[in-house]
Amino acid sequence: DGGITQSPKYLFRKEGQNVTLSCEQNLNHDAMYWYRQDPGQGLRLIYYSQIVNDFQKGDIAEGYSVSREKKESFPLTVTSAQKNPTAFYLCASSIGGQGYYGYTFGSGTRLTVV
Amino acid sequence: GDSVTQMEGPVTLSEEAFLTINCTYTATGYPSLFWYVQYPGEGLQLLLKATKADDKGSNKGFEATYRKETTSFHLEKGSVQVSDSAVYFCALTGGGADGLTFGKGTHLIIQP
Repeated sequence: DGGITQSPKYLFRKEGQNVTLSCEQNLNHDAMYWYRQDPGQGLRLIYYSQIVNDFQKGDIAEGYSVSREKKESFPLTVTSAQKNPTAFYLCASSIGGQGYYGYTFGSGTRLTVV
Repeated sequence: GDSVTQMEGPVTLSEEAFLTINCTYTATGYPSLFWYVQYPGEGLQLLLKATKADDKGSNKGFEATYRKETTSFHLEKGSVQVSDSAVYFCALTGGGADGLTFGKGTHLIIQP
């Protein structure tokens, strides 16, 4: 079955470390998105990509980086510059860049700073 | 810019009660509207959608009607179950390159 796979499900980071969250889709979707979810704050857009080798900053891109070398993959790196990285991270994809058909979401990665 | 406003909750109901979760939006043009559901520790799942005015989306007993005159897309269910306990997100796409705009989510708790 087609879908989005996020890994790992749980991730622990020490202060000052960079960590990379994986997002892979086999839906042949063009666009991919990264969101951060904090309690009571809904979803906040970190980065998005409409095509391979191109991506744009969302509302809260500081302290994060992404790459889109393959259509299927959109990994997110949480750098040491992100001062409060503990959150639930969600990856999504859509057929077109405007989301007219809705998104498919992964099951999320919970990142905790220890 | 586009925005979505929904009641944040938590909304607590007894089993078999009638549910309404209000959602209103601001957008230019003719957005498509969506409701997503998130169960604890999981990603979001598409619950229903409507793409033009007066369309009714429905799924698993939930319904929502696209009301352009009131810019609303309220979610309703006639008889809720404990298994409906989750967070519900209203969303829209106005055609921008950054995709969907989400409301902050409504936490629904159904008590037996």
